[in-house]
Amino acid sequence: GNSVTQMEGPVTLSEEAFLTINCTYTATGYPSLFWYVQYPGEGLQLLLKATKADDKGSNKGFEATYRKETTSFHLEKGSVQVSDSAVYFCALTLRRGADGLTFGKGTHLIIQP
Amino acid sequence: DTAVSQTPKYLVTQMGNDKSIKCEQNLGHDTMYWYKQDSKKFLKIMFSYNNKELIINETVPNRFSPKSPDKAHLNLHINSLELGDSAVYFCASSQEGGGAFFGQGTRLTVV
Repeated sequence: GNSVTQMEGPVTLSEEAFLTINCTYTATGYPSLFWYVQYPGEGLQLLLKATKADDKGSNKGFEATYRKETTSFHLEKGSVQVSDSAVYFCALTLRRGADGLTFGKGTHLIIQP
Repeated sequence: DTAVSQTPKYLVTQMGNDKSIKCEQNLGHDTMYWYKQDSKKFLKIMFSYNNKELIINETVPNRFSPKSPDKAHLNLHINSLELGDSAVYFCASSQEGGGAFFGQGTRLTVV
């Protein structure tokens, strides 16, 4: 089956620190990969995506590169802000039909001023 | 304009009751979903539905049933509610293979 493993938090950083949240996956086929962000009391927002090997997704200063050889999609940001505090989910979907998303367990990120 | 909207945002009800959550998307997507988020924030797909097929996660009790009056709507009906059904339920929609857009969630509390 398909699965996503991501580092569990909480992850606490100071403002302007460098962020990495690790994500690895297993999939039967060639998945598309996503990072979603959930702010307190809200739904999930698509942060970035990559659909094939070596693609780099980026948005709002966040980046992640689809690494097929290591089956990874690590999320990075060079300088975090307090407003980045949220729960981050790595997810995959296979391209056929209506598979839906398989999520990791989420990483709670706390940025301190 | 809200892309995926679901109502109600909060739902408190007693055990044994039957309730529904409504979802509408105005994105023109072919596929809609229901996800359950438990108290530990873990998200799991319950159903996916498009014009051609309904895919049901085998772990979902048959007390849960999706109803789709048209392509833009996918409602969730829950019969004989149990304490363990308390969670946040998210509706979402997508085009095939693309990222999904989520609603704001419905926090269901069964007392």
